[in-house]
Amino acid sequence: GQNIDQPTEMTATEGAIVQINCTYQTSGFNGLFWYQQHAGEAPTFLSYNVLDGLEEKGRFSSFLSRSKGYSYLLLKELQMKDSASYLCAVRDGDYKLSFGAGTTVTVRA
Amino acid sequence: GAVVSQHPSRVICKSGTSVKIECRSLDFQATTMFWYRQFPKQSLMLMATSNEGSKATYEQGVEKDKFLINHASLTLSTLTVTSAHPEDSSFYICSAEDPGQGGDEQYFGPGTRLTVT
Repeated sequence: GQNIDQPTEMTATEGAIVQINCTYQTSGFNGLFWYQQHAGEAPTFLSYNVLDGLEEKGRFSSFLSRSKGYSYLLLKELQMKDSASYLCAVRDGDYKLSFGAGTTVTVRA
Repeated sequence: GAVVSQHPSRVICKSGTSVKIECRSLDFQATTMFWYRQFPKQSLMLMATSNEGSKATYEQGVEKDKFLINHASLTLSTLTVTSAHPEDSSFYICSAEDPGQGGDEQYFGPGTRLTVT
């Protein structure tokens, strides 16, 4: 099966930066995704990495190292509305998405 | 971006009854849709891959006779939970890939919260 690990919880202050790490071991690799999910809602797409390196999109950036099986999501200038669960998901060799358990980020004033 | 809808958003049913959940791609055609289940404070687990015009592919441990999937058109897939029991209570989410957008991103529906009493 697939193995995707990310921290359970993180807390940060409004305006700060938080980095959420994700490590994975999958059967084949066809891209890594980060999703944001608020309680009781469906996930919304944040970023997609298929090649090594950093992808920047506004306040959110995502990094991938395929050789290390490692990614991180960087959230800058944190806002209260960023309090949510952040899901790391890997698309395997069969093009199926496997999700990590999610990291709950709490932003404090 | 592409929009996926689900209906109903919430449903409460009695044990032993069946419930049908619809997943629609509103502005694109999806040959493949995916059904996920999410229990409280857990991540999404893929249940099955729904293929238009052919049988669904179920993940290991998912009973195909209990979770019936029909993908009758390029914009609609349905999941029927047959003979539902309290342990089937969960958040069911569908997703679809838009081939016109390169198919890299899965667009998720808003989810259906099923409660079986």
